[in-house]
Amino acid sequence: KNQVEQSPQSLIILEGKNCTLQCNYTVSPFSNLRWYKQDTGRGPVSLTIMTFSENTKSNGRYTATLDADTKQSSLHITASQLSDSASYICVVIFDRGSTLGRLYFGRGTQLTVWP
Amino acid sequence: DAGVTQSPTHLIKTRGQQVTLRCSPKSGHDTVSWYQQALGQGPQFIFQYYEEEERQRGNFPDRFSGHQFPNYSSELNVNALLLGDSALYLCASSLGVAGTDTQYFGPGTRLTVL
Repeated sequence: KNQVEQSPQSLIILEGKNCTLQCNYTVSPFSNLRWYKQDTGRGPVSLTIMTFSENTKSNGRYTATLDADTKQSSLHITASQLSDSASYICVVIFDRGSTLGRLYFGRGTQLTVWP
Repeated sequence: DAGVTQSPTHLIKTRGQQVTLRCSPKSGHDTVSWYQQALGQGPQFIFQYYEEEERQRGNFPDRFSGHQFPNYSSELNVNALLLGDSALYLCASSLGVAGTDTQYFGPGTRLTVL
């Protein structure tokens, strides 16, 4: 069964600190993995996208890593800001070889940044 | 360049009623996917439309149906509403192959079933 598991479920950190969010998946075969940021009541916004051959991808203070062998990904946030408070969702794209892929979403990690 | 738009923003219905949600994709996109997101959960895939046809479907009953128009906009219809249908409904658009293009999400429609 194709699944995406994220940990921790929720996280509270102080402003300026770093944190790392984890994503384990069983989706196979997959074409790429994405991390999204979702503010409460809003649609998800893409942060990073990596193909199965990439190990790391950065977007400003966000750095995603991917280990396709162990089927694990992480999202590292440096120098956190209050605006980083949101849900971070890991999404794995199932590659069926057709022109349309299927997205598998994790439940997300709810990050709260305190001043 | 308009992003993905959805209407209405909020909607309140009662059990047994029917609802229609609308989505306009990002300019240049031809594929629309619909997701249901319950509070505190990740989005769950409902179905995807491409070339005016339903191409893929998640584990949702037939009460959930959709349509895509020639201008690539899409509707999601839910019949015989249940309390459990209360959720944020997200529309995402992409160009062709969803596996290589980033899907852009709309702001969502918050549906409350009383």
